[in-house]
This record gives sequence, C-alpha cells and structure tokens, in this order.
Amino acid sequence: DAKTTQPTSMDCAEGRAANLPCNHSTISGNEYVYWYRQIHSQGPQYIIHGLKNNETNEMASLIITEDRKSSTLILPHATLRDTAVYYCIVRSYNTDKLIFGTGTRLQVFP
Amino acid sequence: DAGVIQSPRHEVTEMGQEVTLRCKPISGHDYLFWYRQTMMRGLELLIYFNNNVPIDDSGMPEDRFSAKMPNASFSTLKIQPSEPRDSAVYFCASTPFEGEEVKGDTQYFGPGTRLTVL
Repeated sequence: DAKTTQPTSMDCAEGRAANLPCNHSTISGNEYVYWYRQIHSQGPQYIIHGLKNNETNEMASLIITEDRKSSTLILPHATLRDTAVYYCIVRSYNTDKLIFGTGTRLQVFP
Repeated sequence: DAGVIQSPRHEVTEMGQEVTLRCKPISGHDYLFWYRQTMMRGLELLIYFNNNVPIDDSGMPEDRFSAKMPNASFSTLKIQPSEPRDSAVYFCASTPFEGEEVKGDTQYFGPGTRLTVL
C-alpha cells in the first residue's frame, strides 16, 4: 500500500474549519484514501473514504486532488470533541488490511 | 448492538506470567483484527481472521504471542510468557464482508485492553 505523509500536529479554533492535509504521491489506481480518527483512550473511528471524487458525509468532507497524490480532510465546524489524532490511510481494493501511520494530532481550542 | 467487546479493560501482570486478552466481535461480522498500540510504534496490526480462520499473522511479534478464534463470536490473544516490552493497548476490531469487498470503512474498534507488564 502507498505510504502517506501527514503533519505531526495542527491547531484549530472552535467553530472554524479544520483542514487536515495528506500526501500520498505513490498512490495507485485501485487504492482508496481512508480517514480514521482516534480520540484519547478510545479505539479508532472511521470518518470517510474516497477513490477520486470528493466525498461528504455528516462528519466531514474529503477533497482529493485530480492527480490523486494528495487529499484534505475538512471538518467544517470544529468542536472541542474533535480533538484527536487523525489518520490518513491508503488501502488497496483487494487487501483486507488497514496500515496506520503516525497521523496528525489535531488540537481544537476554545 | 453493543459493539466490539474486549476484556479485561485493564490488566497488570508480572513478567513471565501468561496473559489472555478476549474479544467479542459484532455479530455477523466476518473479519476480526487484533492491533497493538504503543507510543514508540503506533498502531500495529498483529493478526486477522476471516470466518474464524487466521489469514495473516505476519504482524505477530514472536512465538510468545498466539491468537485463536474458536467460533464467530469469540477470539483470544495470548502472551506467554509476558515481558515488560509487551506493555501496550491492545485493540480488537471487526468488519463485515459485503459482496467482493472487505468493508474497510466499517472496521469497528473495541475500547481496548491496557496491558502493563511489570
């Protein structure tokens, strides 16, 4: 699976949009981009995933560049409860495994 | 559904002792995954099962670790003998299989077992 690169940490003011970037320059055509997050002391939680089109659900939006070499997770109105480590994962369609990297630690402040 | 259930939530043991961690996946899920999380190594996949059969155990650190899934509703991860470097949070996750695709977007994690080996 392609390797991802994320910033180690980011801050965001409560109520503002949090934009978390991810680079996956070696992604191949059959690999999806997944985002999970892990709130302190809990198990990871699925957020969203996409292949090449932008995606939106009740939690977030995922913007994937046209060349698919990078993506951005957008939390439109961050709250204190969104403080967590966010993992960007690239997974092939034909593999069962998710390989977690180091993620981005997002701190939402009042 | 109660979600993925893990027990115990916390375990403190002494070096050399046997440790058994337990997991009950969500009913109807075909896949079960065991992960380990430490500050140094992050979240690592240890082993996973499909329909109770181990598929990939390449992440199991050494022979001291073993995992079983005797039926669809129960799995164990055993460490014998335990060592201080095994101290970590161990997560179990399950996911269904739909059509021809493993649903990575619905990989549900349990609350984890925090293991401390003294």
